Amino acid sequence: QKEVEQNSGPLSVPEGAIASLNCTYSDRGSQSFFWYRQYSGKSPELIMFIYSNGDKEDGRFTAQLNKASQYVSLLIRDSQPSDSATYLCAVNGGYGQNFVFGPGTRLSVLP
Amino acid sequence: EAQVTQNPRYLITVTGKKLTVTCSQNMNHEYMSWYRQDPGLGLRQIYYSMNVEVTDKGDVPEGYKVSRKEKRNFPLILESPSPNQTSLYFCASSPRSGGLALEQFFGPGTRLTVL
Repeated sequence: QKEVEQNSGPLSVPEGAIASLNCTYSDRGSQSFFWYRQYSGKSPELIMFIYSNGDKEDGRFTAQLNKASQYVSLLIRDSQPSDSATYLCAVNGGYGQNFVFGPGTRLSVLP
Repeated sequence: EAQVTQNPRYLITVTGKKLTVTCSQNMNHEYMSWYRQDPGLGLRQIYYSMNVEVTDKGDVPEGYKVSRKEKRNFPLILESPSPNQTSLYFCASSPRSGGLALEQFFGPGTRLTVL
């Protein structure tokens, strides 16, 4: 059974700080890694995806992937109250395979 | 507007009464999928489809059926719903890729209650 683990939180950070969200996965064959944001009662929306080891930056968001350690993280710089949501990590072994999501980490950015 | 639509958005039903939740996408995506979301358990994949007439089980397929007769539609069928299928359901679609899985686009969700 493929597993994806995340700290459930809540993770509380003050406005303007860096929020660090972590995710570990069990399947070494995983190739695609996604971070989604989900507001309460809404559908998930993609923040970033990463395929290669290292960092990938997009605006205030940076995804970091370490396949050897089976670890992927998301950094949110200059956190805003509007970033308060649940962040879902998802992993996939390749097109045609199933997606496995973690339970999500709830982030609260305090004004 | 590119989107994934689901109907109904809310449904209350009784044990054993067959129901279908429809899902449709207008982005010409090959890959479609159904998830359920329960508190503390995150999103769990029920079934997915890589193309018309091609479906595969996800992690929690028991009690569900799907069909993919047209590229745009991927209905979820509960032949005999039970209370443990009370959940929030999401349909998603994704374009075809050569090898790596790409972003999924999610529908608005269907909140199902089985009494």
